[in-house]
Amino acid sequence: QKEVEQNSGPLSVPEGAIASLNCTYSDRGSQSFFWYRQYSGKSPELIMSIYSNGDKEDGRFTAQLNKASQYVSLLIRDSQPSDSATYLCAVNMSAGNKLTFGGGTRVLVKP
Amino acid sequence: GAVVSQHPSRVICKSGTSVKIECRSLDFQATTMFWYRQFPKQSLMLMATSNEGSKATYEQGVEKDKFLINHASLTLSTLTVTSAHPEDSSFYICSARADLIYGYTFGSGTRLTVV
Repeated sequence: QKEVEQNSGPLSVPEGAIASLNCTYSDRGSQSFFWYRQYSGKSPELIMSIYSNGDKEDGRFTAQLNKASQYVSLLIRDSQPSDSATYLCAVNMSAGNKLTFGGGTRVLVKP
Repeated sequence: GAVVSQHPSRVICKSGTSVKIECRSLDFQATTMFWYRQFPKQSLMLMATSNEGSKATYEQGVEKDKFLINHASLTLSTLTVTSAHPEDSSFYICSARADLIYGYTFGSGTRLTVV
């Protein structure tokens, strides 16, 4: 079992719709969770961090964390073509301060 | 805030030569920096954790004698790929964490091509 798992996609979403991305992790002691967006050929940029169970909203993005289910998700509302990218889920696991990344989900927003 | 600068952005080198990549935290001090490698259509794989003033911690399978890491100050870490070979061609990215608010910030990455 991979430490951080994501559906590789591609997730095809019509412009204006909601994109829903999921991520599961294996370490129950994990404390910090991050969503990054990565455009092709570029380095990742932070979209959202979440540390507590529940929802966290920032603009069109909402992160949801459920530690009991070891599950973190990202919702993108009113998806735009510029949101087309690979979204990486990253987890700061209990041992140490390094990040472990999922394989990423490729999102395609079609006009 | 929390800006990480990485240079060069792109480098082409001959097989057998060495290449140095620099990673600087511009507006914060980073006692720890991280070096990742990303092959095409794959996710980021952590290579090593760079610790200021001490030896780097390498992930399993990463050759410490081939990928030399130096973290001599609180704002600079360097990765030197020694005796580079074509299979070392990849996208190398550094990262540092300023605080809980900003999370882990990434440099812009270095595209290494070994010919």
